[in-house]
Amino acid sequence: DTEVTQTPKHLVMGMTNKKSLKCEQHMGHRAMYWYKQKAKKPPELMFVYSYEKLSINESVPSRFSPECPNSSLLNLHLHALQPEDSALYLCASSHRDRGSEQYFGPGTRLTVT
Amino acid sequence: QKEVEQNSGPLSVPEGAIASLNCTYSDRGSQSFFWYRQYSGKSPELIMSIYSNGDKEDGRFTAQLNKASQYVSLLIRDSQPSDSATYLCAVNGPPRDDYKLSFGAGTTVTVRA
Repeated sequence: DTEVTQTPKHLVMGMTNKKSLKCEQHMGHRAMYWYKQKAKKPPELMFVYSYEKLSINESVPSRFSPECPNSSLLNLHLHALQPEDSALYLCASSHRDRGSEQYFGPGTRLTVT
Repeated sequence: QKEVEQNSGPLSVPEGAIASLNCTYSDRGSQSFFWYRQYSGKSPELIMSIYSNGDKEDGRFTAQLNKASQYVSLLIRDSQPSDSATYLCAVNGPPRDDYKLSFGAGTTVTVRA
């Protein structure tokens, strides 16, 4: 089973709203990732959690705040976003954070109005 | 110089033909190489991973790796309309950075019935 789940599938939010994206995996993976993907572009890495600790922040603006409550869950808290933040947000996980296969969830399509 | 480069496409092949996708990477320390398939509006799906020089076959897909030439390719044999998608080449960084996937821009393949 290589399933990563994400909720919600779609999200529309205003620039003053606060919302959260959720990601879950039950594959025993100890590395989890958030990516952002704009149309016709490859995914861009935002954050990496390794063993529930933040190990990579790719200089992401503070209006994006990740959280890893346990080894199976990953959240992305959103606050005061801009219209240019509209994108597909992808969660991924891997067995280990070094050199192994990453499996993506279905993504959350975010629109900021 | 981009870290991972793919033939730009789009690539159009007739049904039943072989689709050939190419990818080069810049960092000689890279250890792990992946091909993802992404249908329009969907998330990337891992279809092949390769770690050592040579060929790796999985069904109609064959990945080829040549570390000396810093080159990885994907062949799709007996192409089907369901293979129409964007294919992303992804490379793990060198050991100091190997939790990060560097993606190519993607090659869009259209299989003509």
